[in-house]
Amino acid sequence: GEDVEQSLFLSVREGDSSVINCTYTDSSSTYLYWYKQEPGAGLQLLTYIFSNMDMKQDQRLTVLLNKKDKHLSLRIADTQTGDSAIYFCAEKENNNAGNMLTFGGGTRLMVKP
Amino acid sequence: NAGVTQTPKFQVLKTGQSMTLQCAQDMNHEYMSWYRQDPGMGLRLIHYSVGAGITDQGEVPNGYNVSRSTTEDFPLRLLSAAPSQTSVYFCASSYSSRGGQPQHFGDGTRLSIL
Repeated sequence: GEDVEQSLFLSVREGDSSVINCTYTDSSSTYLYWYKQEPGAGLQLLTYIFSNMDMKQDQRLTVLLNKKDKHLSLRIADTQTGDSAIYFCAEKENNNAGNMLTFGGGTRLMVKP
Repeated sequence: NAGVTQTPKFQVLKTGQSMTLQCAQDMNHEYMSWYRQDPGMGLRLIHYSVGAGITDQGEVPNGYNVSRSTTEDFPLRLLSAAPSQTSVYFCASSYSSRGGQPQHFGDGTRLSIL
């Protein structure tokens, strides 16, 4: 079946860049998403990328997609303490009639002042 | 615009009890779904609906029922609660199930089964 993997933990200093990585196994993935979850809250959509793109930038966020290696990354520039959260990547398959997302286990980002 | 609203936010049940988790959206979204979130496992799809009157099973449907009598509401029923169903439950919706329509999530229901 499909598999989406992320590292568990990332710690950075305030003002540095953060890079959160994700790998997936399904070559038919069409859309890939990044969600942010703060403590006790739901998932907030940050950005998403279509599989025919290799980069998308949105203010401090840059998504890079290497479709050949099935590798997705989220770069947060000038990381702030408010960016501390769990970040999930998720993918949607091309033949998925039900809009089902397959999620990674989440990366906990800790930003130190 | 409230978005996706889930109630209750917290619930404690005894093994064998039944209950319904409520989910409502006011965005006229066609697609709605239920996920459960367990530590280190991301979210797993329980059931989904592509429109009123249509439901289907996701990855982990056992022990749960759903119905979709209106576009706005998509309740999740636990028939006979078990400790393995202790989890955080999220409802999500999107405009359609086609293309890359992003899903919008509620704040979750934290459920403990004793």
